[in-house]
Amino acid sequence: SAVISQKPSRDICQRGTSLTIQCQVDSQVTMMFWYRQQPGQSLTLIATANQGSEATYESGFVIDKFPISRPNLTFSTLTVSNMSPEDSSIYLCSATTGTGGYGYTFGSGTRLTVV
Amino acid sequence: KQEVTQIPAALSVPEGENLVLNCSFTDSAIYNLQWFRQDPGKGLTSLLLIQSSQREQTSGRLNASLDKSSGRSTLYIAASQPGDSATYLCAPPNFGNEKLTFGTGTRLTIIP
Repeated sequence: SAVISQKPSRDICQRGTSLTIQCQVDSQVTMMFWYRQQPGQSLTLIATANQGSEATYESGFVIDKFPISRPNLTFSTLTVSNMSPEDSSIYLCSATTGTGGYGYTFGSGTRLTVV
Repeated sequence: KQEVTQIPAALSVPEGENLVLNCSFTDSAIYNLQWFRQDPGKGLTSLLLIQSSQREQTSGRLNASLDKSSGRSTLYIAASQPGDSATYLCAPPNFGNEKLTFGTGTRLTIIP
C-alpha cells in the first residue's frame, strides 16, 4: 500500500498566524482526505482533497479557514488559517488507492499547538 | 449519516488475557469495516479489513467479526501483550464517496 510522508510532525504557532501542512504520497492515489483529531477525541473528516479542483468540505468546515490544495495525484496541502487555541489538534492526511473502500493509508500526523 | 460507537471507551487488562472490543454503526450500507490502531501521537495503522460479505477475518492474534444486519463488529485480541496498548478505532467506508466514519475509539492498556 502507499506510504505518506506528512510534515511538519509538530509545531507551536502564535494565534492569528497560519500553518501549512504537506502530505506527499509515494504513488498515485485516487482520493486524499484531511482529518482533525481534537484532544481526547476521535477523527473528524475536514474535507476530501480533489485533484485539480476545489476541495469538498464537511459540515462545519469552510475553505477560508482550511484551504486545501491538491495539484496532482501524489501531493496535497492543508492550511490552518488565522489560528486560535481552539485549533490545537492533530491533523492527519489519508489516501486511498481504489474504490470500494480499500487501501487506506494515513500520514503520521501533525500535532499543532496554538498559543 | 453514519454514526459509529465503540464500547468500552477504555479498558485495562492484565497481560495474557483475551479481550473483546465492540463497534456499532447505524447505516448497514457499507463496503466493509476496517479496524485501525493508533499509538499516542502517531498516525493510524490498518489492522484488519472485513468485507461486507464476510462474517470473520483473522490476522495473527486478532479476529474481527461483522454482523452487518445488526450493525455490529467486534475485535477479539487473544493472549494480550503490553505492546497491544493503543487506541483501537473502527471505521466503515461510505458507499460511493469512500469516506471513513470513525468510531469514538477504545483506549486499551495491557498491564504487564
